[in-house]
Order: sequence, then C-alpha cells, then structure tokens
Amino acid sequence: KNEVEQSPQNLTAQEGEFITINCSYSVGISALHWLQQHPGGGIVSLFMLSSGKKKHGRLIATINIQEKHSSLHITASHPRDSAVYICAPTGSARQLTFGSGTQLTVLP
Amino acid sequence: DGGITQSPKYLFRKEGQNVTLSCEQNLNHDAMYWYRQDPGQGLRLIYYSQIVNDFQKGDIAEGYSVSREKKESFPLTVTSAQKNPTAFYLCASSIQPDSYYGYTFGSGTRLTVV
Repeated sequence: KNEVEQSPQNLTAQEGEFITINCSYSVGISALHWLQQHPGGGIVSLFMLSSGKKKHGRLIATINIQEKHSSLHITASHPRDSAVYICAPTGSARQLTFGSGTQLTVLP
Repeated sequence: DGGITQSPKYLFRKEGQNVTLSCEQNLNHDAMYWYRQDPGQGLRLIYYSQIVNDFQKGDIAEGYSVSREKKESFPLTVTSAQKNPTAFYLCASSIQPDSYYGYTFGSGTRLTVV
C-alpha cells in the first residue's frame, strides 16, 4: 500500500468550478506540503501546514492530523490553475514523502 | 532573486556514459535533495545532504553519486550503473534538515538515454 494516496488522479473542470483534491497518508507526520507542478516540470510549494487550515488567494488547504487526511481546494478555478498537484507529508524520516499527484485541467 | 538553478533543462546521454546534473542554490539553505520522477509516479528521494561534506542515500541511490563540497552546490552524477536513467530529476533545498517548511524546488532536468 502506498504511504500517500491522492484522489482523484485526474480531474477536469470548467472554469469557475470549485475544486477539491484529497490526500490520505499512513505515515506519522509533523507537517504536510501541497506542491504545484506545471507542464515544464518545475515545482512550487503552495502550502506547508501542520494543523487546521491555510488560505492563500483562491487556494485553501486543510489538514486533519487524527484522520491523516488533507484537502486542497481551489475556488473559482481558472485555466491557469491547470497543473499537477502533489501532496507531500513529512514522514518519520523527516523527509518528504510524495503522492503521485493529481492532474487538474480547467477548461475555459 | 534567491532560488535554485538546475542545468541543463534537457540532457541526452548515450548508454554507458556517466553524466552530471548541476544544482546550485543561493538561498543559504543547509539541506539539499535530489529526487527522481517517472511518469505516473511520485517523486522518489535519491540522495540528500544536511551539511557540507556530508550526504546520505535516499530510497533509490543505486547507480547515482553526489558530492557536497560547497553549501551552494549539490551535483548529481548518473553513472552507467543506473539501469534505467531516463527520468525527470528535481533538486530541492530546505532551510535546515529538520525544518518542515522552506522547501524550494528547482525547475528540473529531463534526462534521456539514447
């Protein structure tokens, strides 16, 4: 079983829709990152959170440490949000453990 | 602006050749990492370094080597012993090895063996 499970693997939405990407993990963690990878390959760190909720612009990330679950929400989605979103909890080895990513495509 | 520079962006290598991927950071970060990404798979840790002149193997270190002679630089050599080197390679750094935030990623190098 993978240590990090993301769902859905692929998601297509219409511009303006509310998007939710889920992440479940089995490792004990102290923090979890949400990363964004654009088609060129470069990765941007969106959030690091260890409890509760964080908001940045149209992006919201939540985490429930007890349930080992995190979600990334995008409000009023836009085609420029199209990317791969990766959940990366910090595991017991204090290294990032990566999910396989969710490919999001937002259509105009 | 501070950041991580990986070069080259695309690299082609003949079978049996060693090749070195560059990673330079000007963030004054202590820790640096190399990851490999294959299509449809998550990033996997190859090597990491917490301090100059020290580095540790990650989950898939076989066929790779690294050095950390300077704080700013963490080059990765893909040796001929790596059986399937074609992949996307990402370098990252963090403020401190035990810091859970402050990760910065490079733009990656796509290596193709021809």
